[in-house]
Amino acid sequence: GENVEQHPSTLSVQEGDSAVIKCTYSDSASNYFPWYKQELGKGPQLIIDIRSNVGEKKDQRIAVTLNKTAKHFSLHITETQPEDSAVYFCAASDGTNAGKSTFGDGTTLTVKP
Amino acid sequence: DSGVTQTPKHLITATGQRVTLRCSPRSGDLSVYWYQQSLDQGLQFLIHYYNGEERAKGNILERFSAQQFPDLHSELNLSSLELGDSALYFCASSSGLAGTDTQYFGPGTRLTVL
Repeated sequence: GENVEQHPSTLSVQEGDSAVIKCTYSDSASNYFPWYKQELGKGPQLIIDIRSNVGEKKDQRIAVTLNKTAKHFSLHITETQPEDSAVYFCAASDGTNAGKSTFGDGTTLTVKP
Repeated sequence: DSGVTQTPKHLITATGQRVTLRCSPRSGDLSVYWYQQSLDQGLQFLIHYYNGEERAKGNILERFSAQQFPDLHSELNLSSLELGDSALYFCASSSGLAGTDTQYFGPGTRLTVL
């Protein structure tokens, strides 16, 4: 089955700096890669996703890049703000069933004011 | 607010007991997914229902079962509870069956088994 590794497990940055979280996956059949943000006491929330026919996608301060050859994808947050502090999860799936995504173990991002 | 509701928020029970977790999807969503989130295993997919029918199973134990009712709400039943079942249980909903449909997660139910 699919295996997703996520690094780092914790990340601390100063407000205004950039943050990068990286994930690798093992199954070449995976073609859909969502990223979720989970704030304390809440459920995960989709913040951006990318499909395998696209190398990069950007939404304001958030961007995701995908390298299918190397089987890795990354989340980039620019101009970080304290409200970006949360746990971020990457996931990978073959797109046949949304529930059958394999999730990374999460990255706890802390943005210091 | 995602529009997905889960009850109860917290549940404390003893080993060997049985509990039922309830989920109401967003208005109009036909798919409901259940996940377990524990400290040592991350977010694990349990089961998916679409319009009342089971569509996919993940790492769901035989002691666990679920169903989706005609009004589309779903219940997850956990029986013969063990200490290791203590976790956060999330449900999520989406509009359809596509693997790329956005899933909207509820706030979760925290289960503590003593």
